[in-house]
Amino acid sequence: SQTIHQWPATLVQPVGSPLSLECTVEGTSNPNLYWYRQAAGRGLQLLFYSVGIGQISSEVPQNLSASRPQDRQFILSSKKLLLSDSGFYLCAWTPGGIEQYFGPGTRLTVT
Amino acid sequence: AQSVTQPDIHITVSEGASLELRCNYSYGATPYLFWYVQSPGQGLQLLLKYFSGDTLVQGIKGFEAEFKRSQSSFNLRKPSVHWSDAAEYFCAVGLSYNTDKLIFGTGTRLQVFP
Repeated sequence: SQTIHQWPATLVQPVGSPLSLECTVEGTSNPNLYWYRQAAGRGLQLLFYSVGIGQISSEVPQNLSASRPQDRQFILSSKKLLLSDSGFYLCAWTPGGIEQYFGPGTRLTVT
Repeated sequence: AQSVTQPDIHITVSEGASLELRCNYSYGATPYLFWYVQSPGQGLQLLLKYFSGDTLVQGIKGFEAEFKRSQSSFNLRKPSVHWSDAAEYFCAVGLSYNTDKLIFGTGTRLQVFP
């Protein structure tokens, strides 16, 4: 069966520091992958999605970037974190088609 | 532009009572419809989906939802709520089967009193 992992589970970083969040899917190949952010008390904001290695689409221009170095790996990065980057980051995947399956999330606090 | 509206930000029910969470969408055609649940600090879990056919769909954990084309709605229901159902519920729509993304509502937080 397919499994999606995210790490770290929680992260506290100072303003101006770099960021790297990782998402990995097991048990499937060539998934579509997504990064969402969920700010406190708000819904989901789609940040990036990828339909294949090296193919990244950005939904919201900001100081975050995404990369897909391997078929089942999706990385969210920042060179310099802002306070407003705090939130709950969710990775999701779909095998093709439309229903998405979510990972456990990463809680990021920027101090 | 396409949108999803969940008019209730917060709902409180007693354990054992029935539940209905509202979801309305704005789209010219019938979209693909989903309900997800999120427990505190967790990811989202798919409860149920509607693609076509019978407008009443059954999901996990005893939930069901009914698609009403005339009202552009996809409301989630449960006949008897359990304390473990306390969570945030998100309605989502997809515009085509091979679309790259879903459009999510802002969520409804369900609180259950014993």
